[in-house]
Amino acid sequence: GNSVTQMEGPVTLSEEAFLTINCTYTATGYPSLFWYVQYPGEGLQLLLKATKADDKGSNKGFEATYRKETTSFHLEKGSVQVSDSAVYFCALSGSSNTGKLIFGQGTTLQVKP
Amino acid sequence: ETGVTQSPTHLIKTRGQQVTLRCSSQSGHNTVSWYQQALGQGPQFIFQYYREEENGRGNFPPRFSGLQFPNYSSELNVNALELDDSALYLCASSLDAGQGNTIYFGEGSWLTVV
Repeated sequence: GNSVTQMEGPVTLSEEAFLTINCTYTATGYPSLFWYVQYPGEGLQLLLKATKADDKGSNKGFEATYRKETTSFHLEKGSVQVSDSAVYFCALSGSSNTGKLIFGQGTTLQVKP
Repeated sequence: ETGVTQSPTHLIKTRGQQVTLRCSSQSGHNTVSWYQQALGQGPQFIFQYYREEENGRGNFPPRFSGLQFPNYSSELNVNALELDDSALYLCASSLDAGQGNTIYFGEGSWLTVV
């Protein structure tokens, strides 16, 4: 079945450091890919998405490129801020009927001043 | 602010009891999905309602049931609560069912079963 694997956390960075959170997936067909962010005590917020191979999703300085050849959708940001501290979830939608999301286990990012 | 609202935000129930969680979808959205997020885990799909009909179900037992109303708001009901049901329950809405639709989540309802 479809699945998503994320790098284990926590990831601890200093402010203004470069961020990469790895995400790989297993899916049949052509899934859509998403990154969601969850701040402490809150629900999920959509960060960015890509719906076909080679698409790049971007938002708030974060980027991720849909790589079908490596089945990856790594999240990057050039310069992180303390306010980026949160849990990041990679997800895929491979069901044409429901569009249900399959999530990775989440990666906690801690940014220190 | 996603426009998806859930209630209650927190509740505590005793094992064996029943619980009802409520969700108002974003205006114009006809599809509502429910997810369970255990502590430290990613959300797991429970089921989806599309235009008042169940449109898909994850690997959850029948004691998890739901409803969608004509205004597209929704309820999640869980009977015979077990300790492992303690989790954050997230409601999500989208403009339509199907892959590629952007899914917006509410803040969630924290359920503790004691």
